[in-house]
Amino acid sequence: AQSVTQLGSHVSVSEGALVLLRCNYSSSVPPYLFWYVQYPNQGLQLLLKYTSAATLVKGINGFEAEFKKSETSFHLTKPSAHMSDAAEYFCAVSSSGGSYIPTFGRGTSLIVHP
Amino acid sequence: NAGVTQTPKFQVLKTGQSMTLQCAQDMNHEYMSWYRQDPGMGLRLIHYSVGAGITDQGEVPNGYNVSRSTTEDFPLRLLSAAPSQTSVYFCASSSDSSPLHFGNGTRLTVT
Repeated sequence: AQSVTQLGSHVSVSEGALVLLRCNYSSSVPPYLFWYVQYPNQGLQLLLKYTSAATLVKGINGFEAEFKKSETSFHLTKPSAHMSDAAEYFCAVSSSGGSYIPTFGRGTSLIVHP
Repeated sequence: NAGVTQTPKFQVLKTGQSMTLQCAQDMNHEYMSWYRQDPGMGLRLIHYSVGAGITDQGEVPNGYNVSRSTTEDFPLRLLSAAPSQTSVYFCASSSDSSPLHFGNGTRLTVT
């Protein structure tokens, strides 16, 4: 079985501030981890993925995430928020145990204040 | 490249009506899936397929049917629409551990 918990349904930051979106997962076998972003009235697009090559993963638009096995976490960060980062962010986990079909978290809405 | 094509984009149904959401991919992906997105609930898996002729239930399968007669197509059928099925539906495809490729979504309203 696999599951994802995203702490905080809404995160509010000021423009230029650090962005931290939290994701914890559970998986009985080595996981594949993903962050997706959904801008208003659009579909989902991939931000970054972890597939065991490196624990610190860099994605698009300055985002990165660190895989911490001991904490079963895959938190998403960005050093300096832009207004254009306002969107819904989803963490997802897949594994061979789940037929490689991802399970998604409930999402975190990032609000960026000027 | 078309990627994942989902139709229609919008649909309004009356309670009890049936319909089929179409999904096609041209990337020769073996894995296909249907999710529904509701506010505060994230994406929940309805049904999925790991290859032609093979389908399985996800987290919220009740009221939906699927079939996978070809690698390319994975239609989702609503048997008798209910207001609780008002949602945004996404079809996706992938190749084992690769990221999902999503369709553009179908916004369904059941009155």
